[in-house]
Amino acid sequence: DAGVIQSPRHEVTEMGQEVTLRCKPISGHDYLFWYRQTMMRGLELLIYFNNNVPIDDSGMPEDRFSAKMPNASFSTLKIQPSEPRDSAVYFCASSLSTGGNGYTFGSGTRLTVV
Amino acid sequence: AQSVAQPEDQVNVAEGNPLTVKCTYSVSGNPYLFWYVQYPNRGLQFLLKYITGDNLVKGSYGFEAEFNKSQTSFHLKKPSALVSDSALYFCAPTDSWGKLQFGAGTQVVVTP
Repeated sequence: DAGVIQSPRHEVTEMGQEVTLRCKPISGHDYLFWYRQTMMRGLELLIYFNNNVPIDDSGMPEDRFSAKMPNASFSTLKIQPSEPRDSAVYFCASSLSTGGNGYTFGSGTRLTVV
Repeated sequence: AQSVAQPEDQVNVAEGNPLTVKCTYSVSGNPYLFWYVQYPNRGLQFLLKYITGDNLVKGSYGFEAEFNKSQTSFHLKKPSALVSDSALYFCAPTDSWGKLQFGAGTQVVVTP
């Protein structure tokens, strides 16, 4: 298995532009998580899905952030409009159920908003 | 409230010396306990986990961790550190719903 695949690896965009981050989870995993990592705030859970359904989006910072999972093999995290404070590394992770299986993380997308 | 504490922002150790990264948690029930490692510009990677059984669990790259129920701790250890062990380490117990609760992370710096 290729693991959790995220794209792009790096994204540089101008303030006000729309940004879309993509994630392909491991086949068969029924949970998908989006995290944001910054020096100041560490690792933050933004939203997670179970069987393609959003379960908890309380970590999404603002209405500018939205996430979808149209099928079991694809998810997107969109920021519209983007702001410089959104600059961070965004990780996607997937899991087979919760509990003792742990998560498999992607390599992340480093977003820079100028 | 459920929480996980990694009391040290950074741990410095000389190569060849033992390495310990501390973790304590406050989670209801009997959580599963995980350690993850993050190398620069990489995602988090699984190191080891405790589910049940022997309090000492062994994981990848020569790491081990000791579960102490009375102290609600799960410290990560390695008998002899390598320069290549320099990375960011995260402790993560599961919460009541089985989701991982990540600590703030501890930066390990191993000097030659």
